[in-house]
Amino acid sequence: DTAVSQTPKYLVTQMGNDKSIKCEQNLGHDTMYWYKQDSKKFLKIMFSYNNKELIINETVPNRFSPKSPDKAHLNLHINSLELGDSAVYFCASSQGALYGYTFGSGTRLTVV
Amino acid sequence: DAKTTQPTSMDCAEGRAANLPCNHSTISGNEYVYWYRQIHSQGPQYIIHGLKNNETNEMASLIITEDRKSSTLILPHATLRDTAVYYCIVYRGSTLGRLYFGRGTQLTVWP
Repeated sequence: DTAVSQTPKYLVTQMGNDKSIKCEQNLGHDTMYWYKQDSKKFLKIMFSYNNKELIINETVPNRFSPKSPDKAHLNLHINSLELGDSAVYFCASSQGALYGYTFGSGTRLTVV
Repeated sequence: DAKTTQPTSMDCAEGRAANLPCNHSTISGNEYVYWYRQIHSQGPQYIIHGLKNNETNEMASLIITEDRKSSTLILPHATLRDTAVYYCIVYRGSTLGRLYFGRGTQLTVWP
């Protein structure tokens, strides 16, 4: 029933580890996004994919690698995790640029 | 995309209308005004958007001034569940566009 689902909801890991966050949408949308919300609550776009193709890479370190195996999935892999990567990561999708985005419930990543 | 200015916080009594203002004096002709909200610990939720005309849906009404330099989001009968951070965003709506979230307005609805 969930429109945009992310797993896991919580992720606690040590510095230097590699982790992945998965995102799936069942809305049939063409475009998917990753956003990062830091401790100051700013929401910043990281990536945008349209029909499995990377459209936007908002100067994100190359330790972050998004992967879109199909239109309904956009996963985020993070290598060599750093303390500063601790944040809530939101996946979103939209039918087109003018339509509203549907966000997932977020993944709270804590790097210790 | 143009920047927006919103009050940091607002209060509203339950059952009353909540009117949330937004200034976007540098908006250009092809930019839309979008409103989202984020209830604590949840993902942002799309509310409404408009270009020139006033818009209404089941959640809210959007009033855009004639010169398009400001807008107001109206929640006609606020409930406790409307307590959230409300974001006003000006967005060109192109595939290469970016939805930038500012600080938003923390709306607190009191019983």
